[in-house]
Amino acid sequence: QKEVEQNSGPLSVPEGAIASLNCTYSDRGSQSFFWYRQYSGKSPELIMSIYSNGDKEDGRFTAQLNKASQYVSLLIRDSQPSDSATYLCAVYGGSNYKLTFGKGTLLTVNP
Amino acid sequence: DAGITQSPRHKVTETGTPVTLRCHQTENHRYMYWYRQDPGHGLRLIHYSYGVKDTDKGEVSDGYSVSRSKTEDFLLTLESATSSQTSVYFCAISEGGRGSYEQYFGPGTRLTVT
Repeated sequence: QKEVEQNSGPLSVPEGAIASLNCTYSDRGSQSFFWYRQYSGKSPELIMSIYSNGDKEDGRFTAQLNKASQYVSLLIRDSQPSDSATYLCAVYGGSNYKLTFGKGTLLTVNP
Repeated sequence: DAGITQSPRHKVTETGTPVTLRCHQTENHRYMYWYRQDPGHGLRLIHYSYGVKDTDKGEVSDGYSVSRSKTEDFLLTLESATSSQTSVYFCAISEGGRGSYEQYFGPGTRLTVT
């Protein structure tokens, strides 16, 4: 059973701070990793993909991957109230293009 | 929403009635998926398709069937709806092919079974 674990939160940070979201996965053979943002009542939106160890930056977002520790994280710099959402971690384990999703971390950015 | 539409967007139905949800894409992507999302469970895969007439079960397929007669359409049918199938249903698509594992989601259908 492939598992993806996230802290459910809520994670609360002040505006302008760095928000750090974490995800661990059980399948050591996992190949690709994704972060989705989901606003309340809306569908998940892909915001970051990462395939190799290290950091990947896109604007205020940085995804970090450590395959040895089976750990992936998302950093949001200069957090804004508009970043308040649930963030879903998803992992591709090499099987039929199926993703396994974590249950998500609720982030609240306080003005 | 990456050229994905779902219909209906909201539906209320009675226990025991059949229900069909439709997902339509304009991206010509090979893979299509149906998920349900419930509090405390996150996103769970119901069925997926890897081509026209090619489908397979996900982790919560009991009580659901699917069909894909055209690349652009993927139908999810609840043969006899139960209250436990009250949920938000999302369709997703993926291009497939080497390295293309990203999935893009439709706007969702909120289904209530009374």
